[in-house]
Amino acid sequence: GQQLNQSPQSMFIQEGEDVSMNCTSSSIFNTWLWYKQEPGEGPVLLIALYKAGELTSNGRLTAQFGITRKDSFLNISASIPSDVGIYFCAGLNYGGSQGNLIFGKGTKLSVKP
Amino acid sequence: NAGVTQTPKFQVLKTGQSMTLQCAQDMNHEYMSWYRQDPGMGLRLIHYSVGAGITDQGEVPNGYNVSRSTTEDFPLRLLSAAPSQTSVYFCASSYRLTGLNEQFFGPGTRLTVL
Repeated sequence: GQQLNQSPQSMFIQEGEDVSMNCTSSSIFNTWLWYKQEPGEGPVLLIALYKAGELTSNGRLTAQFGITRKDSFLNISASIPSDVGIYFCAGLNYGGSQGNLIFGKGTKLSVKP
Repeated sequence: NAGVTQTPKFQVLKTGQSMTLQCAQDMNHEYMSWYRQDPGMGLRLIHYSVGAGITDQGEVPNGYNVSRSTTEDFPLRLLSAAPSQTSVYFCASSYRLTGLNEQFFGPGTRLTVL
């Protein structure tokens, strides 16, 4: 089946540093999504990307939909302790009765004050 | 709105026991789904429903049953629990299938099977 390769698996950074993570796939997706999951909670949608080349920001977060439609990246600028969590990418294609939402394995972010 | 609620939050079962994980949403969403999350595996779709009375299998359906008798509720049943079903289970809903990009996730049920 389809798989997403999300990297890095984990990151340990100092408060104030910028963060970059990415997702790649061998398949094309129509939509890329980025989620954040905090301990004991479900994933929460951060950014949705709908068009190849699209660059979208949400506060200190910026995500881009790759031109090839096979990749996406998420940047976090000037990290703060509350950015700690697991970030998931997800690729989405609509089709049939199910749609096809595939999740990456996550990037665990730790921020040292 | 309470959003998506799941009960219980934690559960420990013995191999062979059965149980039902409850999921409810009060947003009148048509589409509901169950995922399991294992360490290093991301989220994998177990079953989903596009409306009351309609369910279908996802990526990893074996060992699980679902039903959707009302729009609000989508319980997940384990008929005979196995250690391989130790995981965190998330229920999610969206207004419709084409709103998958706007799924709301519940807080999860952490299940341990001994």
